[in-house]
Amino acid sequence: KAGVTQTPRYLIKTRGQQVTLSCSPISGHRSVSWYQQTPGQGLQFLFEYFSETQRNKGNFPGRFSGRQFSNSRSEMNVSTLELGDSALYLCASRRAGGTDTQYFGPGTRLTVL
Amino acid sequence: GESVGLHLPTLSVQEGDNSIINCAYSNSASDYFIWYKQESGKGPQFIIDIRSNMDKRQGQRVTVLLNKTVKHLSLQIAATQPGDSAVYFCAEEGTDSWGKLQFGAGTQVVVTP
Repeated sequence: KAGVTQTPRYLIKTRGQQVTLSCSPISGHRSVSWYQQTPGQGLQFLFEYFSETQRNKGNFPGRFSGRQFSNSRSEMNVSTLELGDSALYLCASRRAGGTDTQYFGPGTRLTVL
Repeated sequence: GESVGLHLPTLSVQEGDNSIINCAYSNSASDYFIWYKQESGKGPQFIIDIRSNMDKRQGQRVTVLLNKTVKHLSLQIAATQPGDSAVYFCAEEGTDSWGKLQFGAGTQVVVTP
C-alpha cells in the first residue's frame, strides 16, 4: 500500500507570495493533519480535516488555511508569505476520526526568500 | 535577530548496546502516546504506540514504558544498530484532540561502531 505522498517536495518563494501544498493520504484514510516543523519551534500542529471538515486548528494566523476534498486529498495554503514561514510542512493521515496512528509523508520543504 | 533553535539532547550509543530515550509529557488527559523516528530529509516514521490503559508494550527490538503517575514515557531499543541513528520524538494525544499530536522536542541518537 502506498504511503502518504506530498507535492511538491521543495519550494522556493519570495515574501508576499502565496503557496499551496498538496497531500494524498494512504488509501482508505479519511483524516489528514498538517504540521509545521522548524528548528526553533519543533513540530507544531496546524489543522486536521476529516470528511472534508476542519475539526481542529492550531495556533497559527489566518494566513494558514486548508481544505480536504471528497477523495480525502488535502491542500494547505499560506498567503502573504513571511520569512518565518520557511519550514518543513508535514501531513499525516489516519484511518478514522479517533485516536489512531498517524502516518507521515516526507514533507514539503518551503523556503521563503 | 538570530533565531535560537531547539537544543536537541543527544544520546551516543555504541553499536550493539541498548538505548533508552526518555520523554516527559504534559497533559494528564492524554491517553495515546506514540514514538516516531525521523531521519534526515524524511518525515517522522511510526515506531510504536501505547494507550493509557497499559504500562508496557513491546515491538521488534523496541519497548515503550508508560508511567502515568509521573507523566513519563520511555523508549528502549535493544541491540542498537547504525540504522537506528536518527531523531526520536515522543508524541501524545487526547481523545478530544481531533488529530492534534503534541510533540516533544526530540532526542538525537548517534550510534557509533
